[in-house]
Amino acid sequence: DIQMTQSPSSLSASVGDRVTITCRASQSISNYLNWYQQKPGSAPKPLMHAASSLQSGVPSRFSGSGSGADFTLTISSLQPEDSATYFCQQSYSMPFSFGQGTKLEIK
Amino acid sequence: QVQLQESGPGLVKPSQTLSLTCTVSGGSISSGSYYWSWIRQPAGKGLEWIGRFYTSGSTNYNPSLKSRVTISVDTSKNQFSLMLNSVTAADTAVYFCARGSGSYPEYFQHWGQGTLVTVSS
Repeated sequence: DIQMTQSPSSLSASVGDRVTITCRASQSISNYLNWYQQKPGSAPKPLMHAASSLQSGVPSRFSGSGSGADFTLTISSLQPEDSATYFCQQSYSMPFSFGQGTKLEIK
Repeated sequence: QVQLQESGPGLVKPSQTLSLTCTVSGGSISSGSYYWSWIRQPAGKGLEWIGRFYTSGSTNYNPSLKSRVTISVDTSKNQFSLMLNSVTAADTAVYFCARGSGSYPEYFQHWGQGTLVTVSS
């Protein structure tokens, strides 16, 4: 099974900051990496698929990069509504697996 | 726009069978080339993929749950279901149904709101 490890587990940043979340796979997964945003009491919402393809309707301040085993999600200018937990997920092989999540708080 | 809604008992006794249904609206569950999945999330924890079925009828399960899980579909009702037997407290979680993107690489494009299932006597 492929293990997904995110860092940091939690993060506090100010409005306007540039924020980066990393995700590492236990083996190469090409670009089969997706990112989701989850707010309390809600289902995860897809942000990015295929490592760097922005989901329709997601603000352009979100970007993704990486291939192989190392990936990043970047928010270029943090907004209050970005307070959430972010998960990465690999769709390279079954069982599909998620990172443990990064909880992002706004200072 | 496809929408998914989970339903089922919120409380299940240990050793019994958890049974949930996902009702799909805004599109036929049997049309297109999509995977339909179940995913769960224990309180305050991460997400675990349980399994999926394809519109062709094939199913795939997470090996960690495979011996206890069955995913089935009722096309006449536009629903698919999850059965998880011999439950324990470790199966307490919010359960989500989701539809795949239909593209490669696959991702979980549409989600239900989730339903909390508690395993307790």
